[in-house]
Amino acid sequence: AQSVTQLGSHVSVSEGALVLLRCNYSSSVPPYLFWYVQYPNQGLQLLLKYTSAATLVKGINGFEAEFKKSETSFHLTKPSAHMSDAAEYFCAVSDQAGTALIFGKGTTLSVSS
Amino acid sequence: EAGVAQSPRYKIIEKRQSVAFWCNPISGHATLYWYQQILGQGPKLLIQFQNNGVVDDSQLPKDRFSAERLKGVDSTLKIQPAKLEDSAVYLCASSLDGNEQFFGPGTRLTVL
Repeated sequence: AQSVTQLGSHVSVSEGALVLLRCNYSSSVPPYLFWYVQYPNQGLQLLLKYTSAATLVKGINGFEAEFKKSETSFHLTKPSAHMSDAAEYFCAVSDQAGTALIFGKGTTLSVSS
Repeated sequence: EAGVAQSPRYKIIEKRQSVAFWCNPISGHATLYWYQQILGQGPKLLIQFQNNGVVDDSQLPKDRFSAERLKGVDSTLKIQPAKLEDSAVYLCASSLDGNEQFFGPGTRLTVL
């Protein structure tokens, strides 16, 4: 069965600092991996996705993630945090296109000035 | 392009009452999903439709939850009767080709 573990339910950074949100997955087949962002009282917005092409995936708003099969990880990074990045971030996995997503519990990112 | 629409945005009911949520997916999207997001957790699939057929409802509590997607467009999710533990945000998502799911703003349900 597939699963996702997000390490750290809350991450705090200063504006301009590196953002690193951790995600480890478990899947018996090559996975499809996703990062979503959720702002208060809004739905989820796709940041980026990995679908077995390049292992380094670039997304919107300056975020990127690297698929590391040996570590079963798909960590999300951004070189320089902005105040507007404060939100809830979810890592998700599916075993094929079109199937339902399995989400992690989420990581709340706080950005201080 | 209009996004996924959901209504109502907020609903407060007493336990044992009934409630229904409505979702209008992006035009042309054949696949529709309903997820339940309990506070502090990630969304969990309740049911997946392909056009008007059910693909996966294995995690839908069928003794109290029901869903339909008439004519393969709009969908309604119903809870009858509601329990306290049903308090959550109910998210609807749609997908054209299965590669990306587009989420609506959700319906926040509070059961008292």
